Amino acid sequence: DAGVIQSPRHEVTEMGQEVTLRCKPISGHDYLFWYRQTMMRGLELLIYFNNNVPIDDSGMPEDRFSAKMPNASFSTLKIQPSEPRDSAVYFCASSFGLAGGARETQYFGPGTRLLVL
Amino acid sequence: GQNIDQPTEMTATEGAIVQINCTYQTSGFNGLFWYQQHAGEAPTFLSYNVLDGLEEKGRFSSFLSRSKGYSYLLLKELQMKDSASYLCASRGGTYKYIFGTGTRLKVLA
Repeated sequence: DAGVIQSPRHEVTEMGQEVTLRCKPISGHDYLFWYRQTMMRGLELLIYFNNNVPIDDSGMPEDRFSAKMPNASFSTLKIQPSEPRDSAVYFCASSFGLAGGARETQYFGPGTRLLVL
Repeated sequence: GQNIDQPTEMTATEGAIVQINCTYQTSGFNGLFWYQQHAGEAPTFLSYNVLDGLEEKGRFSSFLSRSKGYSYLLLKELQMKDSASYLCASRGGTYKYIFGTGTRLKVLA
């Protein structure tokens, strides 16, 4: 398996522009997670999906952020409009489930490094 | 509330043993995880504890005390490649994961 795939790997944009981050989870995984990582705040869970349905989006910072999962093999995280404080590394992760142990291991993608000027 | 505390940085010598501590406050606690993250890379899973006690996996062991809200990751026979950040994460009753800011470990020759 190729693992979790994210695109783009790097994104530089200007304040006010729309940014779309993409993720392809590992085939067969039922859960998909979006995280944001910064030096100051560490790794923060933004939202997670179970079987394509958003379960908890309480970590989404503002209405400028939205996430979708139209099918089991694709998810997007959109920021519109983007602001400099959104600059961070955004990770997507997937797992088999929440039964504990090895099946709950989250496999992270390589991340998208976003810089908003 | 939800909170994770772990030291920001630690330094140890190659071949030594190091213990990285983590304290947590998590509503409906339902599991404690440790991840390793090398600079510029994604986190990778190291260990999972849900019951009190020690889980050993090769050179790495993880301990949990639910009553104290405390965990540690023990790394033995340190190698240069162990230089990385180690993230402690707890899972709450709503299956929400809370990550600490990580402990940056430097292994010196």
